[in-house]
Amino acid sequence: QKEVEQDPGPLSVPEGAIVSLNCTYSNSAFQYFMWYRQYSRKGPELLMYTYSSGNKEDGRFTAQVDKSSKYISLFIRDSQPSDSATYLCAMGGKYGNKLVFGAGTILRVKS
Amino acid sequence: GAVVSQHPSWVICKSGTSVKIECRSLDFQATTMFWYRQFPKQSLMLMATSNEGSKATYEQGVEKDKFLINHASLTLSTLTVTSAHPEDSSFYICSVPRRAGNTGELFFGEGSRLTVL
Repeated sequence: QKEVEQDPGPLSVPEGAIVSLNCTYSNSAFQYFMWYRQYSRKGPELLMYTYSSGNKEDGRFTAQVDKSSKYISLFIRDSQPSDSATYLCAMGGKYGNKLVFGAGTILRVKS
Repeated sequence: GAVVSQHPSWVICKSGTSVKIECRSLDFQATTMFWYRQFPKQSLMLMATSNEGSKATYEQGVEKDKFLINHASLTLSTLTVTSAHPEDSSFYICSVPRRAGNTGELFFGEGSRLTVL
């Protein structure tokens, strides 16, 4: 079993839809939870960062962490074609900078 | 603008040759940098932690003699793939912590795509 599980997709949605991306994990030591966005042939870009459980909102993006269920989510409201990318969840523990990444979900937003 | 610069962005080489990839932190000093490898449609795998002034720390299964890391200064780390073979073809990405402390917030470079013929 992988430490972090993420459905690779692709996930295709129409413009304006609400997108839900998810990851599950097995290591209860994870404390830092992140979502990175990666465009094709580019390096990842930090999108959302959460420490421990809870919700965090930034514009059209909302990140949720449920440590009891070992489940994290990223919601994108009013999705745009420019949101089309691969979304990687990432987690860190005591040595937070040594991240474990999910496989990434390919998102395609159709105009 | 970019915070982490990586060069070259892509390189093609013959089997058996060595390739050096540079990672530069542009806006701040970085005592630690991380090197990741990403195969097509797969996630990023941490290869090693580059430490300024000391030896790099390699992850399990990563050959230190194959992937030489040198953290020459507080703004530069290099990864040299020695005696490259086609199976080394991959996307190599470096990253720098955004802030002090182990928070997991990283700036990533643009990546270097290596193709070994």
